[in-house]
Amino acid sequence: DTGVSQDPRHKITKRGQNVTFRCDPISEHNRLYWYRQTLGQGPEFLTYFQNEAQLEKSRLLSDRFSAERPKGSFSTLEIQRTEQGDSAMYLCASSLSLREQYFGPGTRLTVT
Amino acid sequence: GQQVMQIPQYQHVQEGEDFTTYCNSSTTLSNIQWYKQRPGGHPVFLIQLVKSGEVKKQKRLTFQFGEAKKNSSLHIIATQTTDVGTYFCAGQGGKLIFGQGTELSVKP
Repeated sequence: DTGVSQDPRHKITKRGQNVTFRCDPISEHNRLYWYRQTLGQGPEFLTYFQNEAQLEKSRLLSDRFSAERPKGSFSTLEIQRTEQGDSAMYLCASSLSLREQYFGPGTRLTVT
Repeated sequence: GQQVMQIPQYQHVQEGEDFTTYCNSSTTLSNIQWYKQRPGGHPVFLIQLVKSGEVKKQKRLTFQFGEAKKNSSLHIIATQTTDVGTYFCAGQGGKLIFGQGTELSVKP
C-alpha cells in the first residue's frame, strides 16, 4: 500500500456529463501530480501542484479539465462535458519535492 | 517539448534469459526514474539516477544513466516470471515525462 488513495476507482458516465475525481496524497508530501494513462502507453502528465499552488498544466489539456488542491492536501480533478476520448485511467501521484513519486490505484473513466 | 523515447515496446523472453530496455530523452535531464507497472496495477518506483554515468544495482537489476544525462538503460539478468510487467523510464526536468514503456513477458 503506497498510501495514495483515489476515489472513485471506477466511473462510467454519459458523454456531456461532468465528473470529478479525488486524490488523497501521502500526508507529508508537498507535490501532487495528475496523469492520464491509456492502454499500451506511459502515464501522460496533466498537471502538478506544489502545496496548494498549481505550477504547471499540460498544453494538451483542454479547458474542460480543471484541478484544485485547496489546502495543499487532497486534490480534485474535474472534467466538464466529457467526451469519449476522455476515457482512460486517471492516476494521481505524490512526492516530496523532486524525489520518487508514489502512485495511487487510479480512477478508470469510461465515457459512453 | 521534451520527449522520452523507450525501446523496445515489447520483449518476450524465456525464463532465465536477460532483458534490456533503453531510454532516450530529447533534452538533458536533472534525473531519471524507473518504474514498474504490473498488469492491472499502477506504476511503482524502482530507482532514481541523478549523476552523470551513474550505475546502480538492485539484485538482478542494473540501471545506468548516460554521461550526457540524456539516456538510460535497465538490464535484468536471469529473468524470472515475477519480472513480468511494463517498465517505464521517466525523465525529470521539473515534471516527470514518461516513456511509452517496455512490456516484458517471461515464458516459464
